[in-house]
Amino acid sequence: EVQLMESGGGLIQPGGSLRLSCAASGFSFSNFAMNWVRQAPGKGLEWVSAISASGATTYSADSVKGRFTISRDNSQNTLYLQMSSLRAEDTAVYYCAGGVIGYYYSYMDVWGKGTTVTVSS
Amino acid sequence: SSELTQDPAVSVALGQTVRITCQGDFLRNYYASWYQQRPGQAPVLVIYNKDNRPSGIPDRFSGSSSGNTASLTITGAQAEDEADYYCNSRDTSGNQFVFGTGTKVTVL
Repeated sequence: EVQLMESGGGLIQPGGSLRLSCAASGFSFSNFAMNWVRQAPGKGLEWVSAISASGATTYSADSVKGRFTISRDNSQNTLYLQMSSLRAEDTAVYYCAGGVIGYYYSYMDVWGKGTTVTVSS
Repeated sequence: SSELTQDPAVSVALGQTVRITCQGDFLRNYYASWYQQRPGQAPVLVIYNKDNRPSGIPDRFSGSSSGNTASLTITGAQAEDEADYYCNSRDTSGNQFVFGTGTKVTVL
């Protein structure tokens, strides 16, 4: 069964750091680009960061650039999101999603169930 | 503009057809993908590369694109199609990705 399972969410104080993990199973993880997507309570989807299949190329939204770092360990079939200088507005459900990044196209066809990050004092 | 704009909400009678649109300048250069999100669930890809359906997605879902507008059409809407729908694309720089503002579809 194709599966992505996020972990590492929780309650963290403003300014703190947290590392999210996403464990992949049931597919060739190293062949897929990976993304982090978040959804604040009652809001829409927001793309956060992406990484190419090899890990050589990363992309980040302006809202998290310089604070969040995406990485992957293909030997462990695991995706990471290192988050620092957390703010209240980073409070959201964080999904990992696997897919394809091409020149003219991109899509995410495997999604995890999400992990909740709450930034509050 | 760094946005993809969608109508906030649309309604459709059971069995009828509804079209959801997504507008943004970068859709002239990049294909859109579409995601369905039911309440309390993770998103599901329903259309990719403008007009392709993943396996398992009913053929009542179709996609198209013209100029700066991508469209998702549900032909013969079913009760289970009631959900939020989001488009997604690369932005003008090509270095970031953007979700649309989302459309809530209600099946009457």
